[in-house]
Amino acid sequence: GENVEQHPSTLSVQEGDSAVIKCTYSDSASNYFPWYKQELGKGPQLIIDIRSNVGEKKDQRIAVTLNKTAKHFSLHITETQPEDSAVYFCAASMGSGGSNYKLTFGKGTLLTVNP
Amino acid sequence: GAVVSQHPSWVICKSGTSVKIECRSLDFQATTMFWYRQFPKQSLMLMATSNEGSKATYEQGVEKDKFLINHASLTLSTLTVTSAHPEDSSFYICSPGGPTQQFFGPGTRLTVL
Repeated sequence: GENVEQHPSTLSVQEGDSAVIKCTYSDSASNYFPWYKQELGKGPQLIIDIRSNVGEKKDQRIAVTLNKTAKHFSLHITETQPEDSAVYFCAASMGSGGSNYKLTFGKGTLLTVNP
Repeated sequence: GAVVSQHPSWVICKSGTSVKIECRSLDFQATTMFWYRQFPKQSLMLMATSNEGSKATYEQGVEKDKFLINHASLTLSTLTVTSAHPEDSSFYICSPGGPTQQFFGPGTRLTVL
């Protein structure tokens, strides 16, 4: 089955700096790669996703890049703010994100943005 | 994003009792429901997948007789933890599947004494 590795497990940055989180996956059939933000005691929230027909996607301060050949994808957060502090999970799935395909999650990255 | 609710948000029960967790997708119909369990400082682990009107498919290592899943309608799924033990204490999260993405509920914190 699919295996998703996520690094780093913890990341501490100063407010205003950029943060980068990287994930690799094992199954070349995976074609949907979402990123979730989870605050303490809450469920995950989708912040951005990318499908395999796209190499990069950006939404304001957040961007995701995908390298299908190398089977890795990354989350980039620019101009970090204290409210960005949370645990971030990457995931991979087949079926372009359709509801019939389960997600495989990375182990998470605890991001701390210091004021 | 879609609105998903879970009830209760937290529950404390005695060992040996059963607990039911409800998950509702409030603004769309979910033909597929995923149930996850998350232990402290760990990732989400898929427990089971259910399709409306069908029996759930459980992941390896998850006891189907202990974690009963009912997906009787397109907007409601329930997870019942039967004969709960302290090791079942965890954060349970439902995830109804939409057409192009999955949404997550706010989670239920279960503590078994």
